[in-house]
Amino acid sequence: SALTQPASVSGSPGQSITISCTGTSSDVGDYNLVSWYQQHPGKAPKLLIFEVNKRPSGVSNRFSGSKSGNTASVTISGLQAEDEADYYCCSYAGSSTLVFGGGTKLTVL
Amino acid sequence: EVQLVESGGGLVQPGRSLRLSCAASGFIFDDYAMHWVRQAPGKGLEWVSGISWKSDSIGYADSVKGRFTISRDNAKNSLYLQMNSLREEDTALYYCAKGSTIRGVRFYYGMDVWGQGTTVTVSS
Repeated sequence: SALTQPASVSGSPGQSITISCTGTSSDVGDYNLVSWYQQHPGKAPKLLIFEVNKRPSGVSNRFSGSKSGNTASVTISGLQAEDEADYYCCSYAGSSTLVFGGGTKLTVL
Repeated sequence: EVQLVESGGGLVQPGRSLRLSCAASGFIFDDYAMHWVRQAPGKGLEWVSGISWKSDSIGYADSVKGRFTISRDNAKNSLYLQMNSLREEDTALYYCAKGSTIRGVRFYYGMDVWGQGTTVTVSS
């Protein structure tokens, strides 16, 4: 089953927001192989976080990831207008399979 | 420049087949896992299939298992997805994505390069 994310979150410029991603002990809880993707309308997804809390080169340090038990989270600090997008988590689920979250629409007020 | 270019999408009738291709350039293709991810119109991302850099680990989503086959040709720097017995619910934009970790021990770490996608429409 898909990982559970809130359908939408919002925040004002400069604020911090956190998006959660809840799975099970067979995916998020069992592996430190959670990643986060940002997708702007009409664009391909972009990797923001991999292996729970690692940032690829070129990704702003305003993005940070964490995990506790079966729930992973991504925090965006110092919200900017350009952060408005859809965000997806993804986890390894064993047996060479992956599972995505349903996605969260971030609105910057 | 690291680049992935998908092709092979189109309009196909239910029950028919289609083969997607993904041409890779700008990196050592042999050294990275590769994945297919799809997105139905107005919907979220769905992982479809993946193959490790050594081709010793291959996985499929339950929704396509037994119908789709992933493969790679390292000599041609290409990834493929053979899609048989297509259903209307397979209609989506199909992305090819590159694994983020060189010669990773694990099947998956992240997907750091994505193509622009190729559209598959299954309809009678």
